[in-house]
Amino acid sequence: NAGVTQTPKFQVLKTGQSMTLQCAQDMNHEYMSWYRQDPGMGLRLIHYSVGAGITDQGEVPNGYNVSRSTTEDFPLRLLSAAPSQTSVYFCASSYTFEDHNEQFFGPGTRLTVL
Amino acid sequence: KQEVTQIPAALSVPEGENLVLNCSFTDSAIYNLQWFRQDPGKGLTSLLLIQSSQREQTSGRLNASLDKSSGRSTLYIAASQPGDSATYLCAVSRTINFNKFYFGSGTKLNVKP
Repeated sequence: NAGVTQTPKFQVLKTGQSMTLQCAQDMNHEYMSWYRQDPGMGLRLIHYSVGAGITDQGEVPNGYNVSRSTTEDFPLRLLSAAPSQTSVYFCASSYTFEDHNEQFFGPGTRLTVL
Repeated sequence: KQEVTQIPAALSVPEGENLVLNCSFTDSAIYNLQWFRQDPGKGLTSLLLIQSSQREQTSGRLNASLDKSSGRSTLYIAASQPGDSATYLCAVSRTINFNKFYFGSGTKLNVKP
């Protein structure tokens, strides 16, 4: 199993550009989520999904879109990048049934917006 | 809203020392609590997951305890090694929507040889 994979590992954007961060998992997990990690602030939840076709907002959803067309993939779209979106982005997945919600994380995407 | 705090933010100890990392949370209605390790420039690696009905979990030199009533968890590392140097994060989920986790900002541990 590859676990949770993310691409790209690094990305530099100019203000106003759009891009998609890719996330995939091969563990047949129903739950997938996106976090951003900023210095001194821990991880903050952006969006999450409990299954194909179902998404919801987390703590900091503004400026980001998600969709979930398959169980395996959960892309995160930046519509019009801003310097405040410079961060490290992590994707995570888990099962949704009780006692099996242990979170597994991808290696992260480091994004810089100039 | 669930607030998670980890103190201290950084800790430096000599090799071989036993140490305790702290995690506190404001809402005791948690479903479970997960401890992670993060190496510089890397993702998070799960260390231990404690269910709300459990008091502790052990894995090798690591022991995590949970006291829901006081809103605290500790991660005990025995006989620390330089390879334990990393940032340790705790995250709690609530009974309502137990897949959503709330993270502390972490404790950066440095174990000196």
